[in-house]
Amino acid sequence: EPEVTQTPSHQVTQMGQEVILRCVPISNHLYFYWYRQILGQKVEFLVSFYNNEISEKSEIFDDQFSVERPDGSNFTLKIRSTKLEDSAMYFCASSDGQGATYEQYFGPGTRLTVT
Amino acid sequence: GEDVEQSLFLSVREGDSSVINCTYTDSSSTYLYWYKQEPGAGLQLLTYIFSNMDMKQDQRLTVLLNKKDKHLSLRIADTQTGDSAIYFCAETKVTFGTGTKLQVIP
Repeated sequence: EPEVTQTPSHQVTQMGQEVILRCVPISNHLYFYWYRQILGQKVEFLVSFYNNEISEKSEIFDDQFSVERPDGSNFTLKIRSTKLEDSAMYFCASSDGQGATYEQYFGPGTRLTVT
Repeated sequence: GEDVEQSLFLSVREGDSSVINCTYTDSSSTYLYWYKQEPGAGLQLLTYIFSNMDMKQDQRLTVLLNKKDKHLSLRIADTQTGDSAIYFCAETKVTFGTGTKLQVIP
């Protein structure tokens, strides 16, 4: 069964450093998403991406964040200058359509620890 | 603002029914969802309910929706140890609850 994969599973970085979280969505999917979950808190929507551009983003997704689909298979989330409060699980998801009935398939997540 | 609330923890014995509750605030939500997260894994969509329905049954899962009270519940019949996970409810705009950790005691 096709699945969304994410690398690395755990990333430790120092405050102020740039990190890139990688995701390989399901191959025929067209819509891509990033979410984050701070430990003990809710899963929060960050951004959705379609046709090589951001289609929607939340208030969390500020100028420190960017997304890219560099090569037709990977979907990346870059945090330019990490802060302690960026420590969280980051989930990537993909779907083959947009709208309430299209299931988003989630990856296993990358745990980001900022020290 | 949009907010989805859940109790944090539920413990049941194997074979019993589990009921996980959720309250939401966005009355415009067209669909409401239940996701399951097993340890070390991503979120898996379990089921969803359209807002004009009161109930949806899918094998061992029953979703009840009270639109007036903005209350959603997930009932798992004959709970198994494999059902141990965190369960999230979510509104249409993918606003998730905090998750309910279900522990099934053999």
